[in-house]
Amino acid sequence: AQSVTQLGSHVSVSEGALVLLRCNYSSSVPPYLFWYVQYPNQGLQLLLKYTSAATLVKGINGFEAEFKKSETSFHLTKPSAHMSDAAEYFCAVSDRRDDKIIFGKGTRLHILP
Amino acid sequence: EAGVTQSPTHLIKTRGQQATLRCSPISGHTSVYWYQQALGLGLQFLLWYDEGEERNRGNFPPRFSGRQFPNYSSELNVNALELEDSALYLCASSQLGDYGYTFGSGTRLTVV
Repeated sequence: AQSVTQLGSHVSVSEGALVLLRCNYSSSVPPYLFWYVQYPNQGLQLLLKYTSAATLVKGINGFEAEFKKSETSFHLTKPSAHMSDAAEYFCAVSDRRDDKIIFGKGTRLHILP
Repeated sequence: EAGVTQSPTHLIKTRGQQATLRCSPISGHTSVYWYQQALGLGLQFLLWYDEGEERNRGNFPPRFSGRQFPNYSSELNVNALELEDSALYLCASSQLGDYGYTFGSGTRLTVV
């Protein structure tokens, strides 16, 4: 069965600092991997997805993530945090056999002025 | 292009009542997914519909049910509401095989 573990339910970074949100996955087959962002009282917005092309995936708002099979990881990074990045971020996995996506429990990103 | 629309935005029901939540997918999307986002539990997969058929179901009791209409819109019904059903219910849509959903803004269900 597929699963996702997000390390840290809350992460705080200073404005302008590097953002690093950690995600490890478990899947019996090569996975598709996703990062979504949720702003307060809104639905989820797709930031980026890995579907077995390039291992470094660039997304919207300056975010990127790198698929590392040996580490079963798909960490999300952004070089310089902005106040508007404060939100909850969800890592998710699909095993491709169907369209169902399994989400991690989320990491709330706080940006310190 | 209109996104995924959900109605109502907020819904307050009494324990034991039934709730009906609606979702209209993006034009051209045939798959609709329902998720429950309860406080502290993350997003839990509820149901997946494609081409009018239920394709997959999460670990929820049978009082959670739904359907997909010929125009691909979908309805989620929750019978015999319990207090712990209070949550944000999110609908998403996609083209089958096009991984990565588009989510609506959700329906906030409160059971009192």
